[in-house]
Amino acid sequence: AQTVTQSQPEMSVQEAETVTLSCTYDTSENNYYLFWYKQPPSRQMILVIRQEAYKQQNATENRFSVNFQKAAKSFSLKISDSQLGDTAMYFCAFMKSTGTASKLTFGTGTRLQVTL
Amino acid sequence: GAVVSQHPSRVICKSGTSVKIECRSLDFQATTMFWYRQFPKKSLMLMATSNEGSKATYEQGVEKDKFLINHASLTLSTLTVTSAHPEDSSFYICSAKSGGRGYEQYFGPGTRLTVT
Repeated sequence: AQTVTQSQPEMSVQEAETVTLSCTYDTSENNYYLFWYKQPPSRQMILVIRQEAYKQQNATENRFSVNFQKAAKSFSLKISDSQLGDTAMYFCAFMKSTGTASKLTFGTGTRLQVTL
Repeated sequence: GAVVSQHPSRVICKSGTSVKIECRSLDFQATTMFWYRQFPKKSLMLMATSNEGSKATYEQGVEKDKFLINHASLTLSTLTVTSAHPEDSSFYICSAKSGGRGYEQYFGPGTRLTVT
């Protein structure tokens, strides 16, 4: 079974600064997908960024980028130029394969607070 | 595009009654839908996976007779909590996936269930 670990229950960052959220996972699979989801106070899950394990290049989406270290099974999220609207719970998630059996395994989450 | 709705957003029911939650994909056909449960300040726990026209696959520890899932069409899945008890109070979230859109899951806004 896959496990996803987020070791930082809470983090705080000042507006315009950069913050990195950690995520490690355990799997015996070679092909898989990794995701970061954001859950703001509205509770709506929002996909922030995704990474295919077969791609060596780290994914980026505007101010969000990841540091994917496959051998170390590490998948951290860097948020640059933090904004107040980034305040939310962030969940790292693992998906073993595509197809109808695809299931997401979530980490325990990191609560990020962006302050003035 | 890729919008998933849930109804109702909030529901209060009395202990012993049943309550139905609907999950609809509004602009795509969802071959697979997933039902999650989220306790306060906790992560999402997958309850079951449903494929259109077939029986749902429940995760270990989830009572299939208590949490009835029906995926009768490519745009609608329902979760019925039968004989609800206060411990069933939680936030229930669905997500939907289309085979044509690859591996991404699109999440509904969630339903807050309170059993009194």
